[in-house]
Amino acid sequence: DTEVTQTPKHLVMGMTNKKSLKCEQHMGHRAMYWYKQKAKKPPELMFVYSYEKLSINESVPSRFSPECPNSSLLNLHLHALQPEDSALYLCASSQDGNTEAFFGQGTRLTVV
Amino acid sequence: DAKTTQPTSMDCAEGRAANLPCNHSTISGNEYVYWYRQIHSQGPQYIIHGLKNNETNEMASLIITEDRKSSTLILPHATLRDTAVYYCIVRVARRGANNLFFGTGTRLTVIP
Repeated sequence: DTEVTQTPKHLVMGMTNKKSLKCEQHMGHRAMYWYKQKAKKPPELMFVYSYEKLSINESVPSRFSPECPNSSLLNLHLHALQPEDSALYLCASSQDGNTEAFFGQGTRLTVV
Repeated sequence: DAKTTQPTSMDCAEGRAANLPCNHSTISGNEYVYWYRQIHSQGPQYIIHGLKNNETNEMASLIITEDRKSSTLILPHATLRDTAVYYCIVRVARRGANNLFFGTGTRLTVIP
């Protein structure tokens, strides 16, 4: 199993809503990542978890809150988002710092 | 991590070899060259990576110049399904996590 599974695939939310994005992998990888990708732009790193601990926060606003409940799961909690936060949110995982990262297909988020 | 420079776009005839260049003139001795691609509306996909020797796998070949200041990704027989944005990323192998910072990449269009 070399899959990273993200749910939901699409999400529309209002600016006052609270929602969560979910990511799951069963490859035994110990590093997991969240990326944000706007249309026609490259993915931008948001958060990195290594061994279930947050190791990098790329100055992401607090309305995005990551959580790593266990080594297979990664969540991204969303609250009070703005329309400009609409984007494709990608999750990835890797075994360690010198192996390839596997990406999920993303959640396409629209904030209205 | 060193900065990379790639052409914005390239075309390649179907069945021909696609040669995608990447300049990384400030690369240091312990930095690897990674290649990923992103087909429209999908998550990025790992292709290949290397340190100083040329590498080949079932998808592509990676040729790194002797001074390591540039590299070329070669898709030996391009198909229409290879149409994608190709990202060249340079980074140090670190314990724990493989943080990937994407540049703007090269949009490869394979033409029938």
